[in-house]
Amino acid sequence: DQQVKQNSPSLSVQEGRISILNCDYTNSMFDYFLWYKKYPAEGPTFLISISSIKDKNEDGRFTVFLNKSAKHLSLHIVPSQPGDSAVYFCAASASNQGGKLIFGQGTELSVKP
Amino acid sequence: DTAVSQTPKYLVTQMGNDKSIKCEQNLGHDTMYWYKQDSKKFLKIMFSYNNKELIINETVPNRFSPKSPDKAHLNLHINSLELGDSAVYFCASSQVALYSTDTQYFGPGTRLTVL
Repeated sequence: DQQVKQNSPSLSVQEGRISILNCDYTNSMFDYFLWYKKYPAEGPTFLISISSIKDKNEDGRFTVFLNKSAKHLSLHIVPSQPGDSAVYFCAASASNQGGKLIFGQGTELSVKP
Repeated sequence: DTAVSQTPKYLVTQMGNDKSIKCEQNLGHDTMYWYKQDSKKFLKIMFSYNNKELIINETVPNRFSPKSPDKAHLNLHINSLELGDSAVYFCASSQVALYSTDTQYFGPGTRLTVL
């Protein structure tokens, strides 16, 4: 039962362009959503998050959008840089679950110079 | 001065053996977690401890036993290893377990291969 899904296993973007990574969820109890970035042979590192009371959160080149009615969130990276090439994981949690994160399966982003 | 560290980074062992993976965090966090990333790349939570107390215990075989000697350490012991235990195991920590908004910081992972 996959509660968090990232349907695109990979994405290739030209440097300087926008990267859009998508994530869908099924559990309406989720109230906090996060994006993690992972390089090979390293652990995931926190990138940006959004609470369910918001529909947008921005941090520099990274913006996360949340559409609660569609149970969909997306991560926008503008402009994309080669150093952004990594696997991006979407994760969700519910406030009554003791910090338990449910992860999607990841999208591998490749930013080409 | 790594925030969350795990040892060993790689572990290759035979079926039936017992092994341990150690995790330490120097962030002063109260909560620590173990996640398993399987061959399909899914990251799934296994356990979490808050101040040495078990908070989350997902459907994990009894062969897996977490041990938290203090709030800075959460070790994972695995008995009678099976082929299906081969995966990458990640330790993580966060300030508080009770609130979903607390960011979790991950260690570099331990790649376990069972032959």
